[in-house]
Amino acid sequence: KAGVTQTPRYLIKTRGQQVTLSCSPISGHRSVSWYQQTPGQGLQFLFEYFSETQRNKGNFPGRFSGRQFSNSRSEMNVSTLELGDSALYLCASSFTGTSGDSSYNEQFFGPGTRLTVL
Amino acid sequence: DAKTTQPPSMDCAEGRAANLPCNHSTISGNEYVYWYRQIHSQGPQYIIHGLKNNETNEMASLIITEDRKSSTLILPHATLRDTAVYYCIVRPGGLHGSSNTGKLIFGQGTTLQVKP
Repeated sequence: KAGVTQTPRYLIKTRGQQVTLSCSPISGHRSVSWYQQTPGQGLQFLFEYFSETQRNKGNFPGRFSGRQFSNSRSEMNVSTLELGDSALYLCASSFTGTSGDSSYNEQFFGPGTRLTVL
Repeated sequence: DAKTTQPPSMDCAEGRAANLPCNHSTISGNEYVYWYRQIHSQGPQYIIHGLKNNETNEMASLIITEDRKSSTLILPHATLRDTAVYYCIVRPGGLHGSSNTGKLIFGQGTTLQVKP
């Protein structure tokens, strides 16, 4: 079974630009979550999409947005880039059934997109 | 904020057991303990999870105290490839947790250095 894939793997942008990152979840997984990882703040939750709807949201400004398509693929967008947005952006997918079995809640992470803002 | 406390770093000799502690004194009755690890520059990897019973899989064992306020992840025979940052996370699980499933709150984790 193919894992979570993220494109592009590396990206360099300048301040003020916008960027779109893509995530393809594991086949059959309906939940996609996004995380930002920086040396200073560590791993921080951005948002989660489930069945094309945003289900959870972290504490990030409105410049960070996302969406999910009917095939569960997800994109996140960052507008008006700032130097502080330089980070590793990670995507994770999970099955998230409604069963009482917590094993459905396991998150599978992709390799990440390394964004550098100059 | 993360609900767990972990030592920032630990060393372990190759071939020996690595015991990584985690405190989660405010854990609720419906919250599970999850462990993930992140090898340098890769995405985090799920290791194991549990509610109140000890758990074991091919990667590790998880020992949860009877009061559930702390746990220990055990890598029975650590190798150099186990060098990573290990994260202990508590989160709702099962039916009650389905609405929070995709949200993981990471702390700073424990950097485990396995030495030859």
